Amino acid sequence: KAGVTQTPRYLIKTRGQQVTLSCSPISGHRSVSWYQQTPGQGLQFLFEYFSETQRNKGNFPGRFSGRQFSNSRSEMNVSTLELGDSALYLCASSFNQKNTEAFFGQGTRLTVV
Amino acid sequence: GENVEQHPSTLSVQEGDSAVIKCTYSDSASNYFPWYKQELGKGPQLIIDIRSNVGEKKDQRIAVTLNKTAKHFSLHITETQPEDSAVYFCAASIEDYQLIWGAGTKLIIKP
Repeated sequence: KAGVTQTPRYLIKTRGQQVTLSCSPISGHRSVSWYQQTPGQGLQFLFEYFSETQRNKGNFPGRFSGRQFSNSRSEMNVSTLELGDSALYLCASSFNQKNTEAFFGQGTRLTVV
Repeated sequence: GENVEQHPSTLSVQEGDSAVIKCTYSDSASNYFPWYKQELGKGPQLIIDIRSNVGEKKDQRIAVTLNKTAKHFSLHITETQPEDSAVYFCAASIEDYQLIWGAGTKLIIKP
């Protein structure tokens, strides 16, 4: 079966703009988590959705938001982009809300100039 | 809250030798401990996991051990091969909360 699909793979935006990233989980998976990955910072948790509800949120400013649709696809939005938002954004899906056996997509590489 | 420390940050081993990466966690209620491998340009991939009711788990050349008393768990890779070169992440969670991640270990396999 198809894996986790993230689009787009690469994105270049200008400071002050906003961006929307998309994640399609594995078919049947209802939990989607988002992470920011920067060199030397590891994986920083952004938020997690299960059945269209945000269950957990990490320590990121309100410029970072997300949502999940009834088909479990998820989007995250970053408004008023800053240079420091340049990172690899990863999405992970799992079957249930227990966050076990999470499967990651290849990520969206966002560059803010 | 939970905190996970991972060591070393970089590990270089000769091909064929063993590699060991160690993680410590702070919350004794944590009961799920996965290990992920991230190759260049790809997302992390789950390679093995262990739950708190088990002390050791093996899958071919990789194994994970858990010491609940000391609150640490380790990834062991035997007979290392060039394709083992990657960044490895450990994580811990209390099952229905989010995973807390270690900072990652870059494993370099020298030919």
